[in-house]
Amino acid sequence: QVQLVQSGAEVKEPGASVKVSCKASGYTFTNYYIHWMRQAPGQGLDWMGRMNPSGTSTIYAQKFQGRLTVTREVSTSTDYMELSSLRYDDTAVYYCAREVNVGIGAVNYWGQGTRVTVSS
Amino acid sequence: DIVMTQSPDSLAVSLGERATINCKSSQSVLYSSNNKNGLAWYQQKPGQPPKLLIYWASTRESGVPDRFSGSGSGTDFTLTISSLQAEDVAVYYCQQFYSSYTFGQGTKLEIK
Repeated sequence: QVQLVQSGAEVKEPGASVKVSCKASGYTFTNYYIHWMRQAPGQGLDWMGRMNPSGTSTIYAQKFQGRLTVTREVSTSTDYMELSSLRYDDTAVYYCAREVNVGIGAVNYWGQGTRVTVSS
Repeated sequence: DIVMTQSPDSLAVSLGERATINCKSSQSVLYSSNNKNGLAWYQQKPGQPPKLLIYWASTRESGVPDRFSGSGSGTDFTLTISSLQAEDVAVYYCQQFYSSYTFGQGTKLEIK
């Protein structure tokens, strides 16, 4: 069965970086896009960025340009999301999710979420 | 960026009654190539990641009960729950995937 397992909760100081992993299993990793979203406490969903199936191309939401890096390690079927220059309002649950299929931008498999707290 | 606006922000519906949530996009999300709309609906319960209900505006995801249906085209879309069940209490989001990706602000559905 398809599974996306994310790394554990993180607490970071303002200005630091955080790197969250998303390990996929149960399907051919290089056939699907993986997206990253976040959800601040009590707030809605915020799309952050996306990695293409081969791991050669990313797109990012404009609000995260320059601070967000998504990478793919094909050998371990793992995607990584790194957010730098953290601010207090980056405190959120971060999710990775897999697209239904290439060409369908909806996501139907989600990781469990990783809570990132930015605190001094 | 395409802005997605949902209405209402919250609603309360009696068990067994119909629930309707609307979603409006700031520009059309209709693909001319396949005549499909790049619009999805998700359900999120507290403490859980969202769950995909509908994509292409009206295609139900596998395993989703048929009381959930999606309709609309272009810029105006609707999620309908035909007969509300207790387990449908959740926050519902629309998402466009026509041009990059954006979510609506969410609609909280409660039992009246």
